[in-house]
Amino acid sequence: GAGVSQSPSNKVTEKGKDVELRCDPISGHTALYWYRQRLGQGLEFLIYFQGNSAPDKSGLPSDRFSAERTGESVSTLTIQRTQQEDSAVYLCASSLEEGGRQFFGPGTRLTVL
Amino acid sequence: ILNVEQSPQSLHVQEGDSTNFTCSFPSSNFYALHWYRWETAKSPEALFVMTLNGDEKKKGRISATLNTKEGYSYLYIKGSQPEDSATYLCASLRGTGRRALTFGSGTRLQVQP
Repeated sequence: GAGVSQSPSNKVTEKGKDVELRCDPISGHTALYWYRQRLGQGLEFLIYFQGNSAPDKSGLPSDRFSAERTGESVSTLTIQRTQQEDSAVYLCASSLEEGGRQFFGPGTRLTVL
Repeated sequence: ILNVEQSPQSLHVQEGDSTNFTCSFPSSNFYALHWYRWETAKSPEALFVMTLNGDEKKKGRISATLNTKEGYSYLYIKGSQPEDSATYLCASLRGTGRRALTFGSGTRLQVQP
């Protein structure tokens, strides 16, 4: 596609349920990033994939969060046993190379009731 | 400075005013400094990627400067227009450690017609 896409655009879930968020980066972009923005706060780094290297998971807030990336394409962010504090907009971005300009997707708004 | 800091947090100006914001970042192991514009209900969009000390970038009425030795960057908007209303984010990438951007909390600009 022409840009980074994310699905779903909105997700409402009950506390304790698992959710899976999907990101399709721009074709050919080797780097893929996940961020989140909670209400009233800035962008928070979650995880970074670069090519076939081991991902940088240093931003994941707890072991309930995990992410996978298939080669240099689709990535999924999974949140297990969701909590209300997980409510946020989850943004995915990709870049052609490490450190390069990032192209952001439209985000997934997650609401945990 | 260990984190990326932006000031002011928010700014209200009149149409036609010129304005500027500050981004402070760790000067050690500097690799790159990014500026993004984030409009409400949209995704962040890259404005500039700067890597060299003394760099100056310009895009229309918006320009940015970079001082890597002292760890700051300025973003200038000349003759602000209502469509410039957005949150302006800067992000730092270091040459060692985490290979993902660290974002500041942003400057929220509101331009009154």
